Amino acid sequence: GAGVSQSPSNKVTEKGKDVELRCDPISGHTALYWYRQSLGQGLEFLIYFQGNSAPDKSGLPSDRFSAERTGGSVSTLTIQRTQQEDSAVYLCASSLGLTDTQYFGPGTRLTVL
Amino acid sequence: AQTVTQSQPEMSVQEAETVTLSCTYDTSESDYYLFWYKQPPSRQMILVIRQEAYKQQNATENRFSVNFQKAAKSFSLKISDSQLGDAAMYFCAYSPAGSEKLVFGKGTKLTVNP
Repeated sequence: GAGVSQSPSNKVTEKGKDVELRCDPISGHTALYWYRQSLGQGLEFLIYFQGNSAPDKSGLPSDRFSAERTGGSVSTLTIQRTQQEDSAVYLCASSLGLTDTQYFGPGTRLTVL
Repeated sequence: AQTVTQSQPEMSVQEAETVTLSCTYDTSESDYYLFWYKQPPSRQMILVIRQEAYKQQNATENRFSVNFQKAAKSFSLKISDSQLGDAAMYFCAYSPAGSEKLVFGKGTKLTVNP
């Protein structure tokens, strides 16, 4: 079946602009995760959803980052007033249940000029 | 804090040979999961193998196998009969049982020479 999909594949934006990154999980997967992969920090966990609920937002780097998930499916990660340090690959993963194996999408490469 | 360490930033292997990638982790938990993910240039993280800590038997998936040493907190990946398509970044990851997140190592870049 179809895997996790993310859009856009690449995004170039100017400092100060807002961006939205989209993740479409594997059908039937109830859990969804966002990670950030950057050269200096490696892979870091940002946030997870169980259904539409995100119980713990403490992994988000700043209050400029927010995420939502509607209908238990598609999720959007929004970065407001982007900064150059936000440049990274943003990876989304989904799993059948909260502690099941996570399957990753191809990521969105964000470049902030 | 839970940490995962991959001490080999880069490794290389000749095609058809065997290579072992190292991973150690630090945790006070007794029940957890360990993973190896492969990330080729396409960026897609692909699950290679998964190990449950309560299982003593080492996990295997075709040419991929692990050496899980719970007391030593070591989880190495062995790739047998290496193929050109195995060239990628390999990430070791840890997840406590009941937890929602993966903790990743910094990765090992594997080059396969023809």
